[in-house]
Amino acid sequence: LAKTTQPISMDSYEGQEVNITCSHNNIATNDYITWYQQFPSQGPRFIIQGYKTKVTNEVASLFIPADRKSSTLSLPRVSLSDTAVYYCLVGDLTGTASKLTFGTGTRLQVTL
Amino acid sequence: GAGVSQSPRYKVAKRGQDVALRCDPISGHVSLFWYQQALGQGPEFLTYFQNEAQLDKSGLPSDRFFAERPEGSVSTLKIQRTQQEDSAVYLCASRTGGSYEQYFGPGTRLTVT
Repeated sequence: LAKTTQPISMDSYEGQEVNITCSHNNIATNDYITWYQQFPSQGPRFIIQGYKTKVTNEVASLFIPADRKSSTLSLPRVSLSDTAVYYCLVGDLTGTASKLTFGTGTRLQVTL
Repeated sequence: GAGVSQSPRYKVAKRGQDVALRCDPISGHVSLFWYQQALGQGPEFLTYFQNEAQLDKSGLPSDRFFAERPEGSVSTLKIQRTQQEDSAVYLCASRTGGSYEQYFGPGTRLTVT
């Protein structure tokens, strides 16, 4: 499984755009990049997934360069409620098992 | 619709006691996963079921940990002779066949004293 590296923590003010970058130098051809969000006392929640280029949904965008050795989760105009831990996961998640391998994540703190 | 539910939400056990943690997945979800999350860490995989078959139990830390899903829906994670290092949040997740998104429950926080 590809190892991921992401910042331990980030701070932002409400209303700003937040970009969290994850590096995954040994990503494999079949691997997808997936981001989960976790609030205290809750299980992780799926945010977005991509394979290459750019993916956008109603809550975030995911930018993946051509070499796929890194990816950036972009949260537009964060609010206090976006304070959470964000996990970058890399792996072939389409298989039968597809267990998720989490790192320590990025703790995002949003303040006024 | 109802999400993944887990019970109890909190459990305190004395060292050496046996505990049983329950997971009710989303109805119709074929795949079920158990994860263990230590304080300040990301979740770590324990075991995986497809219907009633336990296809991967490579993450179970010792033979004191046992999981079952006898009818392919509700699952129970049992920990025998609990130790202090078992203190953690135990998360259950389910997924439909062919989907990549796992839906997590709120977890059971186990504290072993």
